[in-house]
Amino acid sequence: QVQLVQSGAEVKKPGASVKVSCKASGYTFINHGITWVRQAPGQGLEYMGWISPHNGNTDYAQKLQGRVTMTTDTSTSTAYMELRSLRSDDTAVFYCARDRQELVPIYYGTDVWGQGTTVTVSS
Amino acid sequence: DIQMTQSPSSVSASVGDRVTITCRASQGINSWLAWYQQKPGKAPKLLIYAASSLQSGVPSRFSGSGSGTDFTLTISSLQPEDFATYYCQQANSFPITFGQGTRLEIK
Repeated sequence: QVQLVQSGAEVKKPGASVKVSCKASGYTFINHGITWVRQAPGQGLEYMGWISPHNGNTDYAQKLQGRVTMTTDTSTSTAYMELRSLRSDDTAVFYCARDRQELVPIYYGTDVWGQGTTVTVSS
Repeated sequence: DIQMTQSPSSVSASVGDRVTITCRASQGINSWLAWYQQKPGKAPKLLIYAASSLQSGVPSRFSGSGSGTDFTLTISSLQPEDFATYYCQQANSFPITFGQGTRLEIK
């Protein structure tokens, strides 16, 4: 079945980096963009960015520019999100999600989500 | 960035009630709007895409409408499993933006 499986929970100190993985299966990985979303405790959904595994094009949320990098490894059907210079307010659950429509970015929403990765930033 | 404003922020309703949630975009987004349902501790679930298209496997009591800047999500007859938080998302242009969420609670 189509699924996205994310890496496990992380605890990091302020100033450190975290790299979350999202392994896809059950579909042609390069045909669907991947969106990253985070959710701080008790808060709403926040868009972090998007990447096309097809051509590597990315879009990053302005507030994260310079701290976030999204990549894909098409040989393993895995997407990665690295966030650097972590702060306490980066504590959140991080989700990857697949564009619903093949080869069409974002218009049709995201239909498959990973289970979420909790990242805790604490000294 | 396009701002998405949902209302109400929370609503209390009973099983069997009809509930409508609205979402307004700060500028026109054609029909590129999606609705998600999220339950505590779970990932969001796509309900509606392109403003009014029902995602496969989603019960027909969910429906969406609207275009341009004003959109609605309607649940025609609430079921116990529908009590959750609902988010709209504009998918017209980068950066994608979400509404702040509407918490649907049992009355």
